[in-house]
Amino acid sequence: DIVLTQTPRSLSVTPGEAASISCKSSQSLLHTDGKTYLHWYLQKPGQSPQPLIFETSSRFSGVPDRFSGSGSGMDFTLKISRVEAEDVGTYYCMQGMRLQHTFGQGTRLDFK
Amino acid sequence: QVTLEEPGPTLVKPTQTLTLTCTFSGSSLSTSGVAVGWVRQPPGKALEWLALVYWDQDRRYNPSLKNRLVITEDTPRSQVVLTLTNMHPVDTATYYCVHASRLNWGLYYFDYWGQGTPVTVSS
Repeated sequence: DIVLTQTPRSLSVTPGEAASISCKSSQSLLHTDGKTYLHWYLQKPGQSPQPLIFETSSRFSGVPDRFSGSGSGMDFTLKISRVEAEDVGTYYCMQGMRLQHTFGQGTRLDFK
Repeated sequence: QVTLEEPGPTLVKPTQTLTLTCTFSGSSLSTSGVAVGWVRQPPGKALEWLALVYWDQDRRYNPSLKNRLVITEDTPRSQVVLTLTNMHPVDTATYYCVHASRLNWGLYYFDYWGQGTPVTVSS
């Protein structure tokens, strides 16, 4: 099974600051088509998870451009350029190689 | 826009079988590249993928639960049913119905989520 490890597990920032979350995979997520299939979700308090980023760096429809994803192979990063109040919640990375899906443990983002 | 609806809260006793029906709209399992399935989240813990059924009737399960899980579909009624046998208190969680879209052959991501339904296992 592919294991995804997120760091840090929690993150406290000041509004307007940048934030960065790492997701490391136990196996390469590089597909034969040259793309890496790592996705990011945000679960706001009391809500269902919502998609943010798919295929490492593509933003889901309606996601603000302050969110960006990067990475390759086994190492991936989600960055928020200027954190806003609505960004508070838990962030999860997810992979779906070989029709088996796994999530990271989550990273909780809140304000100082 | 795809919407997915799970049933209301459920209480089951240990060793019983859980059956959850998801009804969805705005998409169809008869469409190539569509899948519908389930993800759960124990209180205060991370998300865990359970199962998916695909447009071509293929179905995949979380290996750690495979012996207890069955996912079926009723395509004309736009419903997907999850069955989890031999329930334990550790199966207490919010169960989410999810819609997945294909990015490439064999590669899907979960693009729409239901509101989730709480399931409690207790005697």
